[in-house]
Amino acid sequence: GAVVSQHPSRVICKSGTSVKIECRSLDFQATTMFWYRQFPKKSLMLMATSNEGSKATYEQGVEKDKFLINHASLTLSTLTVTSAHPEDSSFYICSLAGSVSYNEQFFGPGTRLTVL
Amino acid sequence: QQQVKQSPQSLIVQKGGISIINCAYENTAFDYFPWYQQFPGKGPALLIAIRPDVSEKKEGRFTISFNKSAKQFSLHIMDSQPGDSATYFCAASTDYKLSFGAGTTVTVRA
Repeated sequence: GAVVSQHPSRVICKSGTSVKIECRSLDFQATTMFWYRQFPKKSLMLMATSNEGSKATYEQGVEKDKFLINHASLTLSTLTVTSAHPEDSSFYICSLAGSVSYNEQFFGPGTRLTVL
Repeated sequence: QQQVKQSPQSLIVQKGGISIINCAYENTAFDYFPWYQQFPGKGPALLIAIRPDVSEKKEGRFTISFNKSAKQFSLHIMDSQPGDSATYFCAASTDYKLSFGAGTTVTVRA
């Protein structure tokens, strides 16, 4: 499977600030990446699908102006949480579609965001 | 609305025992059914997956059973070990979008 990294692994920020989370594919070029959000002891909820060189597709109920996604290269996608509030505190996980089958997804280690 | 229903929410099994987790779905367009294992503070890791044209798939101690007519699939963990203690998510995919079950926390007692 693919190797995916995320940076930072955890971040604490003040309310009102913006935070950028990076997701990198380390061993192959990923045209499609996904961003998920997971609350404690809950399941993963898809936030958006990111395609290299084009605008991200957001799931219903996800504010695209608050969660900015940029997929500038085949190995990097970024999620920026703008004007963060305590309710944005969560575990954010990216994944990328496999090269053999797009149905396969390989997940990063996640980023724990805490907004004070 | 959860498209994939998973049960039980948690289970405790003795070392060497069998853990069984069940999932059900409604959307017949789903064409790929993976299981993920997640440890606290980590991302999910793909464990095993099956396509609807196969009724069973086994990889080591992990087996997926798939019943297309009943729209159900299950994960069996044989000879459970303390290292298997984790949260397991079933999922279903169509157009490469994954819908996850609610998760099952498995605790293996030594």
